[in-house]
Amino acid sequence: DIVMTQSPDSLAVSLGERATINCRSSQSVLNRSNNKDSLVWYQQKPGRPPKVLIYWASTRESGVPDRFSGSGSGTDFTLTINSLQAEDVAVYYCQQYSTTPITFGQGTRLEIK
Amino acid sequence: EVQLVESGGGLVQPGGSLRLSCAASGFTFSGYRMHWVRLVPGKGLVWLSRISSDETTTDYADSVRGRFTISRDNAKNTLYLQMNSLTAEDTAVYYCARSNYYFDSWGQGTVVTVSS
Repeated sequence: DIVMTQSPDSLAVSLGERATINCRSSQSVLNRSNNKDSLVWYQQKPGRPPKVLIYWASTRESGVPDRFSGSGSGTDFTLTINSLQAEDVAVYYCQQYSTTPITFGQGTRLEIK
Repeated sequence: EVQLVESGGGLVQPGGSLRLSCAASGFTFSGYRMHWVRLVPGKGLVWLSRISSDETTTDYADSVRGRFTISRDNAKNTLYLQMNSLTAEDTAVYYCARSNYYFDSWGQGTVVTVSS
């Protein structure tokens, strides 16, 4: 199984500042058919289902503010939230969809400092 | 608009069974692979199972293989999860999700509580 490890587990950032969340996979999640990394980032707020932010590691979902960006390749990935807003308070998960079992990171709780 | 609506959750005693349903609308249900995922309190999201668009192929997480059965009825646009031999560790919010590689649409979830 591919183990997804996020860091940190929790993060407190001031409004308007940058938040950075890391995700490491225990093996490559590269999709060889399209040469893209099978890595997605979700945002989940209490009582709500997860919401897609970034897929293929760096492609922003339609409607997601451009302050959210994804980067990385191979086994190391990063979600960056620029100019943090109050509505960004949530738990963020990375997930690989390269192979089954599909696996998630443990989540990173983002709060306002 | 894509809609996924789960139902069937509730309170069940250890060792009991439940059948979850996920009613799909707003898209061609038979064209998509479907999944069940759960949110475990304090532990995060866990993928449980998937079924191919044509119902022929299924996969399971080790934690539920042999106890849970995923199925679908493409004529009724509905996904199912039969859960047997439930334990307290199965207490969670259960989501159905559509995949087009990643999970691009999720239901609102149904709560399953296993307790005596």
